[in-house]
Amino acid sequence: DAGVIQSPRHEVTEMGQEVTLRCKPISGHNSLFWYRQTMMRGLELLIYFNNNVPIDDSGMPEDRFSAKMPNASFSTLKIQPSEPRDSAVYFCASSPSQGVGGEQFFGPGTRLTVL
Amino acid sequence: KNEVEQSPQNLTAQEGEFITINCSYSVGISALHWLQQHPGGGIVSLFMLSSGKKKHGRLIATINIQEKHSSLHITASHPRDSAVYICAVTPMNRDDKIIFGKGTRLHILP
Repeated sequence: DAGVIQSPRHEVTEMGQEVTLRCKPISGHNSLFWYRQTMMRGLELLIYFNNNVPIDDSGMPEDRFSAKMPNASFSTLKIQPSEPRDSAVYFCASSPSQGVGGEQFFGPGTRLTVL
Repeated sequence: KNEVEQSPQNLTAQEGEFITINCSYSVGISALHWLQQHPGGGIVSLFMLSSGKKKHGRLIATINIQEKHSSLHITASHPRDSAVYICAVTPMNRDDKIIFGKGTRLHILP
C-alpha cells in the first residue's frame, strides 16, 4: 500500500482565495483525521471521520473551514476564504480503528502558505 | 498548565548515547502515542501503548498509568534518530480530543 496520500504537497495562495486539500486514506481504514501543525500551537486535531461520517469537528477553527468525506477513499479539507493565519502544515491520517484511540498513519502533509 | 508536558524541549547528544524523553499528562487516558517527525516534516507513529512497555528495534516506550508518565528511550543513538518526538494521549472520555505535547527536538551529533 502507498500509505496515506495527500495533495498538493505545497500550496501558495493569496488571501481570500479558496483552498482545497485532498487526502486518500489507506485502503480498509475506518477512521480519517485532519490535523493542523503550526510553530505556535503544535499539532491540533481539526476533525475526524468514522466510516465517512464526521464525528468530532470541534477543532475546526471557524466556519471558513469545512471537511467532507464523500466515500471511504477520499476526503477534502476546504478553506474559504483563506487568511494568512491559516498558513500551516495540514496532515491527514487514517487508522484501522474506530475513533482517536487507535494507531494512526500519517500522510506527508500539505504545507499551505497564504500571502 | 498543558495537559501533556514533555521534557526536555530540546536535547543534543553524541552518537551512541542512551536517550530518554519524558511525557507527563494530567488526564485519565485510554492510550498514549509516541510520534516521530523527521526534519522533512513527515510524521510516523512509533508506539501506541496503554500499559507496560513496548520495544521496537532500538526504541523502547514505557508507561506508568498510576503516575501518569511515559518515557521514550533510544539505545545506541544515531544521527538518523534526529527528529522531533511527540507524545500524545487519548483521553478516557471518548468525546475528548487527542491531546498533543509540544514535542522534544532531538539532535544526535556524529
